[in-house]
Formats: sequence, C-alpha cells, structure tokens
Amino acid sequence: ETGVTQSPTHLIKTRGQQVTLRCSSQSGHNTVSWYQQALGQGPQFIFQYYREEENGRGNFPPRFSGLQFPNYSSELNVNALELDDSALYLCASSLGLGQTYEQYFGPGTRLTVT
Amino acid sequence: TQLLEQSPQFLSIQEGENLTVYCNSSSVFSSLQWYRQEPGEGPVLLVTVVTGGEVKKLKRLTFQFGDARKDSSLHITAAQPGDTGLYLCAGDPSGAGSYQLTFGKGTKLSVIP
Repeated sequence: ETGVTQSPTHLIKTRGQQVTLRCSSQSGHNTVSWYQQALGQGPQFIFQYYREEENGRGNFPPRFSGLQFPNYSSELNVNALELDDSALYLCASSLGLGQTYEQYFGPGTRLTVT
Repeated sequence: TQLLEQSPQFLSIQEGENLTVYCNSSSVFSSLQWYRQEPGEGPVLLVTVVTGGEVKKLKRLTFQFGDARKDSSLHITAAQPGDTGLYLCAGDPSGAGSYQLTFGKGTKLSVIP
C-alpha cells in the first residue's frame, strides 16, 4: 500500500508569484488536511477537504486555496506569495473525519520564497 | 498565545537516561495526540489519549492525559539514539469532531550515544 506522497519535494519561488502543491492520499482515504510548518514551529492547520468539499479552514487568508479531486488527491494553491509563506507544507490523509481515523502525513513540500 | 504549550523546547540527554516532556493548555481537549517527526519527514502518530487520567504505554514510552484533560506528558525510559526527533502534541480544540489539529511547537530531543 502506497503512503501519502507530495510533490514537489522542494520549490523556490519569488515574492508575488503563485504556487501549486500536490498531495496523493493513501488508498481509500477520503479526507485530506493541509498544514503549514514554519521553521521551529509545529504544523498549523490550513484547511481540510472531505469528499471533494472544504470541511473547515484555519486562520489563513483567501490567497490560500485548495481542491480535492474525485480520486481524493488534493492541491494547495497559494497566490501572491510572501516571504513569510516560506515553510514546510504537509498534507495528511485519513479514512474519514474524527479522531477515530488516524491522519497519515506525507513528507512535505519545502517552499522557499525569495 | 500558543493554545498548546510544550516544554522543554530543546532537550539533549545521554543514552540510557530518562526524560519527561510536557504539553499544557488552559483549554479542555476531548483527546490529545502525540507525534514524532524526524528531519525531512512528516509527523507520525504515536498515541491518542482520550480519557482524563489515562495512561498508555508504548514500549519505553509512557503517555499520560491529565485528569482535567488540559495537559499531557510523555515519559521515555532509558532513551536511545533512535528516540531522537521532534515530539509534537496535538488536539482539536473545537470539539466539532472533524479533528482539524492544533499542534504545539514541539520538543526537540537529541539522544547522544
């Protein structure tokens, strides 16, 4: 069984540009959550998708947007990049909503904004 | 203000020593989780504690959930170099059931051979 995969592994962008990060969830998992982990910090919840619908959003501006596809893979889009967007972006998939279902994290995408 | 405060932030110990790390909040959580994250990887779930006062053991790791469900601790007995990593506590403060996690900043543990 393939785990959660994310692409690309590393990315360097310039301030003001746009970026798309991708996440392939574990087989059978219909829920994907995205987190931002700045250096020296714990992950911060960005948003969650359940069966292709957004199911909750953290304290992030609208220039952070996402999608979940019918195969339950997901994208995170960030527009008008700022220096503070430099971070490790993690996605986590689970079989469903709630604490009963373990969230499995991918290795993350390291985004650097210059 | 961080909803989940973890202490200490950094810990460097010799192989074979015991240690305890803490996760504290002023809010009540329906459950708390502990994760370990290694460089270049995502966090991996170690345990979920649900009941106030609950103690769970995972080999040399002992997890405790406070009676009031506002705090938790992780105790490692006879630490080994393989225990090195970032230990994160997390929970869903909303109680809405979707389990959109809030994380602490973590405790970075180094175990020196």
